[in-house]
Amino acid sequence: QKEVEQDPGPLSVPEGAIVSLNCTYSNSAFQYFMWYRQYSRKGPELLMYTYSSGNKEDGRFTAQVDKSSKYISLFIRDSQPSDSATYLCAMSAGQGAQKLVFGQGTRLTINP
Amino acid sequence: DAGITQSPRHKVTETGTPVTLRCHQTENHRYMYWYRQDPGHGLRLIHYSYGVKDTDKGEVSDGYSVSRSKTEDFLLTLESATSSQTSVYFCAISEFGQELYGYTFGSGTRLTVV
Repeated sequence: QKEVEQDPGPLSVPEGAIVSLNCTYSNSAFQYFMWYRQYSRKGPELLMYTYSSGNKEDGRFTAQVDKSSKYISLFIRDSQPSDSATYLCAMSAGQGAQKLVFGQGTRLTINP
Repeated sequence: DAGITQSPRHKVTETGTPVTLRCHQTENHRYMYWYRQDPGHGLRLIHYSYGVKDTDKGEVSDGYSVSRSKTEDFLLTLESATSSQTSVYFCAISEFGQELYGYTFGSGTRLTVV
């Protein structure tokens, strides 16, 4: 079983919809949680980060971490065609050389 | 990507030949990483470095070696390339005390082994 599980999709929704992306994990030592966005043939870029449990909001994006359930989520409100990309969750246990563990990535398409 | 460049961007090589990929950073970050990205597997860590001449293995290190002789350069070598090493390779950097910012990734090297 993988340390981080993410539904690879693909996920296709109409413009303006609310999108929910999720990951589960098994390592209770994880305390840094991130979401990366990757456009086709590009490197991943950091979208959101959270330390430990709780919510974080940045514009149309909200990241949630529930450590008791080992579950993290990314919500996208008022989705736009420009949000079409692959979204990867990532997490690590400690400081220094973080050795992020990534989910498989979910391919998202927003249809105009 | 600002501050981190990978070369070459694309490469086709034959089975059994050695291949070296280069990652160069201008951010003076301490940590550097090599990942490979494959369908169905996501990003998997090959090797990482926590300082000049200090490296360690990741999840999928067999068949790969690395070297870091300068802070800014991290080389990944496929000692004898195999078709299973056809992949997209990403270099990443991070810094101690900036863990919340995760990695900065390069643009990737698309390697095909024929």
